[in-house]
Amino acid sequence: AQSVAQPEDQVNVAEGNPLTVKCTYSVSGNPYLFWYVQYPNRGLQFLLKYITGDNLVKGSYGFEAEFNKSQTSFHLKKPSALVSDSALYFCAVRDRNYGQNFVFGPGTRLSVLP
Amino acid sequence: DAGVTQSPTHLIKTRGQQVTLRCSPKSGHDTVSWYQQALGQGPQFIFQYYEEEERQRGNFPDRFSGHQFPNYSSELNVNALLLGDSALYLCASSLRSSEIYEQYFGPGTRLTVT
Repeated sequence: AQSVAQPEDQVNVAEGNPLTVKCTYSVSGNPYLFWYVQYPNRGLQFLLKYITGDNLVKGSYGFEAEFNKSQTSFHLKKPSALVSDSALYFCAVRDRNYGQNFVFGPGTRLSVLP
Repeated sequence: DAGVTQSPTHLIKTRGQQVTLRCSPKSGHDTVSWYQQALGQGPQFIFQYYEEEERQRGNFPDRFSGHQFPNYSSELNVNALLLGDSALYLCASSLRSSEIYEQYFGPGTRLTVT
């Protein structure tokens, strides 16, 4: 079975500081990994994905994520946080060998303080 | 290029009633997935439609049913509503032939059951 864990419910960071939002996953096969962001009363917006190749993936709005197969992690990072980055972040996994649906983590609320 | 659209935006129903939610996929997409996002949780996969058939289903009771039309749009129906069905219902569209199967989400329908 596929599963995603986001160990932190809330992450607080000062504007201009680097941020990290953590994600670990479990799949039986090789994963496709995704990060989505959700603003209040909005749907999910795609940030980035890992398919294959380079373990460091760059996405929208200056975000990047590092895939670590041995640690089964896919942490989201940004070198310099903005107040406008404050939102709910979801990590998702799709097992290439099982079905077409995504399994989402519980979400991490990011607060960037001015 | 129109993205994924959903209607209505908000809906209030009484326990025991039935509800229908609608989704139009992103232009060029042929597959629609539905997710339920309860307050404070990540999206949970309900089911997926492709070629007007349900292709995969998550752990949801038969009260949840759907339909896909020849133009790829989709409906989610929930019968005998329970208070626990109150949630944000998200529709996501994708292209079946895409190996990566990236999903694009609509803004969601907020269902409140009283």
